[in-house]
Amino acid sequence: QVQLQEAGPGLVKASETLSVTCSVSGGSISGYYWIWIRQSPGKGLEWVGYIHDSGDTNYNPSLKGRVSTSIDSSKSLLSLTLKSVTTADTAVYYCARGGRAVISAALEYWGQGILVTVSS
Amino acid sequence: SYVLTQPPSLSVAPGQTATIPCGGNSLSTYNVHWYQQKPGQAPLLLVYDDSRRPSGIPERFSGSNSVYTATLTISRVEAGDEATYYCQVWDASSDHFVFGIGTEVTVL
Repeated sequence: QVQLQEAGPGLVKASETLSVTCSVSGGSISGYYWIWIRQSPGKGLEWVGYIHDSGDTNYNPSLKGRVSTSIDSSKSLLSLTLKSVTTADTAVYYCARGGRAVISAALEYWGQGILVTVSS
Repeated sequence: SYVLTQPPSLSVAPGQTATIPCGGNSLSTYNVHWYQQKPGQAPLLLVYDDSRRPSGIPERFSGSNSVYTATLTISRVEAGDEATYYCQVWDASSDHFVFGIGTEVTVL
């Protein structure tokens, strides 16, 4: 059974960098699309970005170039970095697995999410 | 950018049928997926590729997609179905993942 587990600091100061990792177990990290989603308190789901180990990436333009992702296949680890955070970046951050080769596939596996609070 | 439109809320009596719409331009050309999210939990995939159910999802949950509207139908609604339901697509023209705003379903 594929399992995803997010980790990172629960509190980040405004203007600093938010870093969240996602550990993947029970399945290969290679060949799949990995998607980052966030959810501000009381709000809906917002797509942050995606990455494929082929090097294919894309990000939500609303994040204005502040976001990047990476894959460490040797450690089965995904990473999300968001620079110059503000209180508007306070959210639960989820990682999820997409399709193996089809980007339009559904997100079948999700991590439990990690709440990151940005303090002013 | 592509937009998916959902009603913010919907109420249904136990045992009745809940119909949750998701609207979008030429939506029938997209693969629509539906997720259920209960408070404090991660979203759960309910329906994928318009109408297919992952293993373990009850048959009471079904989906369809027609021209401009995709629909998630919950038959014989139970108290445990209280949750927020999101539709989602991947938009090829922008290469973006898109979620609807979510429909909060209340069981009366």
